Amino acid sequence: ETGVTQSPTHLIKTRGQQVTLRCSSQSGHNTVSWYQQALGQGPQFIFQYYREEENGRGNFPPRFSGLQFPNYSSELNVNALELDDSALYLCASSLNSGNTIYFGEGSWLTVV
Amino acid sequence: GEDVEQSLFLSVREGDSSVINCTYTDSSSTYLYWYKQEPGAGLQLLTYIFSNMDMKQDQRLTVLLNKKDKHLSLRIADTQTGDSAIYFCAESIRDKIIFGKGTRLHILP
Repeated sequence: ETGVTQSPTHLIKTRGQQVTLRCSSQSGHNTVSWYQQALGQGPQFIFQYYREEENGRGNFPPRFSGLQFPNYSSELNVNALELDDSALYLCASSLNSGNTIYFGEGSWLTVV
Repeated sequence: GEDVEQSLFLSVREGDSSVINCTYTDSSSTYLYWYKQEPGAGLQLLTYIFSNMDMKQDQRLTVLLNKKDKHLSLRIADTQTGDSAIYFCAESIRDKIIFGKGTRLHILP
């Protein structure tokens, strides 16, 4: 148990739809990062939020957006879903971009 | 560039030691990590090493870091069936972690 919880655990969406994934960080952690893990691949960095501000972004298009709330929980929003967006989406939390980074169990997204 | 390479598969007999190797390219990495992922699950942080260290031991796990060659290894002593999983090597660069593609560890009876 890492204390990082994500919802929903599984969902199926149709191409062109929008999806919101949620993450509650470990207690006391003010930094949340999101990663996309396609089948058979390592996780790829999407972006990071620190104290409600985006603090870094990977090579993902603008239709991937996020939010962090005052309680440090976070959302990942993906618009105009494409088939290639099918993946495991992982949320990770840490304190001040520190060295101990804990991941949630992830949200499995299937786009059909 | 930012790249982490590791072999894709490793088979080891139960009770033997497993050694998983990894190379990385960015010398500005602050921390290097090993994560474990079991089927259908998220990532479990196994251990990490600060870039100015060359070795870290934690129970059955030993991490060796050769900063000159940008080579990281994870040794699992007395490998058990519960160690069967995918192991990801990763490096931290500024605000993000760069992962390798993972090494699938298969335990032979």
